[in-house]
Amino acid sequence: DQQVKQNSPSLSVQEGRISILNCDYTNSMFDYFLWYKKYPAEGPTFLISISSIKDKNEDGRFTVFLNKSAKHLSLHIVPSQPGDSAVYFCAASDGGKLTFGQGTILTVHP
Amino acid sequence: DTGVSQDPRHKITKRGQNVTFRCDPISEHNRLYWYRQTLGQGPEFLTYFQNEAQLEKSRLLSDRFSAERPKGSFSTLEIQRTEQGDSAMYLCASSLAPTSPLHFGNGTRLTVT
Repeated sequence: DQQVKQNSPSLSVQEGRISILNCDYTNSMFDYFLWYKKYPAEGPTFLISISSIKDKNEDGRFTVFLNKSAKHLSLHIVPSQPGDSAVYFCAASDGGKLTFGQGTILTVHP
Repeated sequence: DTGVSQDPRHKITKRGQNVTFRCDPISEHNRLYWYRQTLGQGPEFLTYFQNEAQLEKSRLLSDRFSAERPKGSFSTLEIQRTEQGDSAMYLCASSLAPTSPLHFGNGTRLTVT
């Protein structure tokens, strides 16, 4: 059973516009949520996180929103840059152990 | 902060052989995790350690897999009698606490021929 789902395998955005990546989860025990970025041949790199007691966390161009009632989180990147092109994974934590979604390939066109 | 280090980066082995991977976590991190990633999927949890104690193992981890973290520092993951289905990227991560982000190494890519 897929406890964390990213339903969009890919997303294409123009440079300067907003990128919105979505993630849904099913397990109510998850208490901490994270987004990771991955380039080919490298491990995932931590981007931003949010605790289940918050609904928004912002860090520069990156903002994560959490809607607990809908069991949904999203990552907003604005403005998007070509260097943001990568695979983005959302992850949910249960006592520190992370469960990952399948990833969304983001392509930002100049 | 030298980051999480994994060795080797790539390993090609014949079916039936044993392989061992090593992970050196960030020095002050007491939690260490092993994940496996196949093409088109997110990383899947295998096992984790708090210091030297192995606290949880996934059902994905068959009897052919064993992990150790002697003295609570580096960790090794051994796969015995490798099968073609074991071909994947094996990722190691470490963290300071349960509510801290995991920091990943660049992985060991295993190819079983």
